[in-house]
Amino acid sequence: QKEVEQNSGPLSVPEGAIASLNCTYSDRGSQSFFWYRQYSGKSPELIMFIYSNGDKEDGRFTAQLNKASQYVSLLIRDSQPSDSATYLCAARPDTGFQKLVFGTGTRLLVSP
Amino acid sequence: ETGVTQSPTHLIKTRGQQVTLRCSSQSGHNTVSWYQQALGQGPQFIFQYYREEENGRGNFPPRFSGLQFPNYSSELNVNALELDDSALYLCASSLVAGPDQETQYFGPGTRLLVL
Repeated sequence: QKEVEQNSGPLSVPEGAIASLNCTYSDRGSQSFFWYRQYSGKSPELIMFIYSNGDKEDGRFTAQLNKASQYVSLLIRDSQPSDSATYLCAARPDTGFQKLVFGTGTRLLVSP
Repeated sequence: ETGVTQSPTHLIKTRGQQVTLRCSSQSGHNTVSWYQQALGQGPQFIFQYYREEENGRGNFPPRFSGLQFPNYSSELNVNALELDDSALYLCASSLVAGPDQETQYFGPGTRLLVL
């Protein structure tokens, strides 16, 4: 079982719709979770992080965390073609150092 | 732009050679982590440096080694290159304390091709 699992996609949504990206993790000791966006050929770019159960909003993005279900999600409202990218979910296990464990990413395609 | 820089941007080596990749962390960041990202995969943690010491390591063999310098910049060295070492190598810098602690900011990466 992979430590962080994501559906590879592609997830296709029309412009203006809500994109919902999901991630599950296996290590119950993981304390913090990160969403990164990665355009083709580029490096990961931080979107947001979440530590506490519930929702965290930042502009068009909302991260949701449910530690009991070991589930993290990212909602993108009013999706734009420029949001088309691979979205990486990462968990920080309780190792004592800042290791991030990444999923394989979900490819999002937003059509005009 | 995160302020993390890496060099070179691209590199081609042959099997058995050695390579050194370089990273300058974001201003004020004292921790550097290195990741390997193979095509179609998520980044895999190689190791992390803090105060010029390796303080955490992933599932990579000893031929992957590193250094951190007093100015927090870092090097990743890979000996005896194998074809499977072909990947994007990412450096990420972060803080160990403060409101932004643990958030890792990635540099542009070095794309290594081993022939």
